[in-house]
Amino acid sequence: AAGVIQSPRHLIKEKRETATLKCYPIPRHDTVYWYQQGPGQDPQFLISFYEKMQSDKGSIPDRFSAQQFSDYHSELNMSSLELGDSALYFCASSLGFSSYNEQFFGPGTRLTVL
Amino acid sequence: QKEVEQNSGPLSVPEGAIASLNCTYSDRGSQSFFWYRQYSGKSPELIMSIYSNGDKEDGRFTAQLNKASQYVSLLIRDSQPSDSATYLCAVDSGGGADGLTFGKGTHLIIQP
Repeated sequence: AAGVIQSPRHLIKEKRETATLKCYPIPRHDTVYWYQQGPGQDPQFLISFYEKMQSDKGSIPDRFSAQQFSDYHSELNMSSLELGDSALYFCASSLGFSSYNEQFFGPGTRLTVL
Repeated sequence: QKEVEQNSGPLSVPEGAIASLNCTYSDRGSQSFFWYRQYSGKSPELIMSIYSNGDKEDGRFTAQLNKASQYVSLLIRDSQPSDSATYLCAVDSGGGADGLTFGKGTHLIIQP
């Protein structure tokens, strides 16, 4: 079965640079979530989109923005990168607008900020 | 502040035994509960979802929910070395496409 696709899988950036992470949800899934997981930490929810509209917002820094496009893929834009932004970034997708929907995670993008 | 609490472990269980993982949550309005398995450096993999009080079984896995006690558990029967991983309890408080609140995870070690 098709899964969530994330690109790139690895990304190395310098401080103060920008980065764009992409997420392609499971086919027919219309809801996308972004999570950040630091070393030894649990995943922290950043932001979610349903039908191209922002649905819920978590601990996303103001330096980050995201959007969902007409084909339901999503991009997380990160600016003025800091050392503390180094983490695994996961995208998850689900079908529909309900708290009962199961979220399926992609393989993640490992971001390293030097 | 929504909180999900898990014993971080490590929890060591002999191969073939039952592993019992526990989770408590603070938001009484929470509606959906999930267990994810995560291997080191990999993404969380959904194992079980549970929405109503009682037990839900899927193969070697059984999830148990008690909303009155705000308690969720996961039992793994006939534990295998491949079950060694971190198990994350996640809670959705409702409201549509909300983000999940995760516990810090329990590190499970199955001893051959």
